[in-house]
Amino acid sequence: ILNVEQSPQSLHVQEGDSTNFTCSFPSSNFYALHWYRWETAKSPEALFVMTLNGDEKKKGRISATLNTKEGYSYLYIKGSQPEDSATYLCAFGETSYDKVIFGPGTSLSVIP
Amino acid sequence: DAGVTQSPTHLIKTRGQQVTLRCSPKSGHDTVSWYQQALGQGPQFIFQYYEEEERQRGNFPDRFSGHQFPNYSSELNVNALLLGDSALYLCASSPGLAEYTDTQYFGPGTRLTVL
Repeated sequence: ILNVEQSPQSLHVQEGDSTNFTCSFPSSNFYALHWYRWETAKSPEALFVMTLNGDEKKKGRISATLNTKEGYSYLYIKGSQPEDSATYLCAFGETSYDKVIFGPGTSLSVIP
Repeated sequence: DAGVTQSPTHLIKTRGQQVTLRCSPKSGHDTVSWYQQALGQGPQFIFQYYEEEERQRGNFPDRFSGHQFPNYSSELNVNALLLGDSALYLCASSPGLAEYTDTQYFGPGTRLTVL
């Protein structure tokens, strides 16, 4: 059974702090790693999809890195803002047409 | 351009009943996936439909079934409801053959409560 883990489970930071969290996934048969942001009462929103070892993606103040050999991805938020408060989900794809497996998410609260 | 829509928003059923949830994909998308999200967990893949056929299935019992219509909309049916089926059910759509480098677009979900 494939297992995708995320840490920490929850995080509270002050506005302006930078933060990061981790997604761990099986290092074999890697195909793709997705990050999603899920704000309360909204739909999950795609942030990044990464496929190559060493990939780095950036979207505004949010960036992500990927290490497929050791099976982890980091998501970084620089200068957190209250609107960054959300649950951040990663999802691992093992083969091209296989199901994606989601981690349990990291809940981020940014305190003004 | 409408995104992914789901209906109903909320639903309350009792044990043993049957339920049908509906999803309309984003315009131009022909692949629909369904997920179950229980409290404290990430979304769990139920199944995926493409060209009106179930293409992939997760570890869910046969009580969970689905359908995709020619207009690409989809239904999720759950029979003989159990208390443990209480969850948020998410629908996601993606274009073409939906290789998993493709971004999935999610709907807002249907909250199912089984009493």
